Amino acid sequence: ILNVEQSPQSLHVQEGDSTNFTCSFPSSNFYALHWYRWETAKSPEALFVMTLNGDEKKKGRISATLNTKEGYSYLYIKGSQPEDSATYLCASEGSSYKLIFGSGTRLLVRP
Amino acid sequence: NAGVTQTPKFQVLKTGQSMTLQCAQDMNHNSMYWYRQDPGMGLRLIYYSASEGTTDKGEVPNGYNVSRLNKREFSLRLESAAPSQTSVYFCASSSGRRPDTQYFGPGTRLTVL
Repeated sequence: ILNVEQSPQSLHVQEGDSTNFTCSFPSSNFYALHWYRWETAKSPEALFVMTLNGDEKKKGRISATLNTKEGYSYLYIKGSQPEDSATYLCASEGSSYKLIFGSGTRLLVRP
Repeated sequence: NAGVTQTPKFQVLKTGQSMTLQCAQDMNHNSMYWYRQDPGMGLRLIYYSASEGTTDKGEVPNGYNVSRLNKREFSLRLESAAPSQTSVYFCASSSGRRPDTQYFGPGTRLTVL
């Protein structure tokens, strides 16, 4: 079983701060890395999927990078807003098609 | 286009009771999944169905059964509920083509007393 780890577990920032967190995954049998945004009392929503080493994706103030050789991905949020408060999940897609999820980073943005 | 729907949204059971959680998707996806989410443990895969007519165990299948009724519907059954099955259950679906992004339903919050 693949092991996907996310850090930190939780993060509190002030409105306007920029922040980033990490997803580590085994680099063998790698196909894709998925990021999801999960608001409280809702269901996870897909943010990004990346497949190639060096990939960068951006959606508004949120961006992500991928390093498949060393097995990590960073998610960045520029100028955090209270509505960015959520749990951010990453998931690794390997040879089996199934996604292996990390436990998430819980972000709280204080106004 | 409703995406992935789940029923019921909430359920309270007594130990030993049985129930079935329903899931349907209207995206013509091949693959469907059942997860449970517990505090501090992220999403854990219970069962999945890679295509109509097939089902496979995930990480935590004990105490559950599934049925892929047709391409649209994938149900999860608890035959004899236990307090350890108190959790939030999410159904998801995906096309089955890479990269295989999964789309989630709204979840069912189950409490077993």
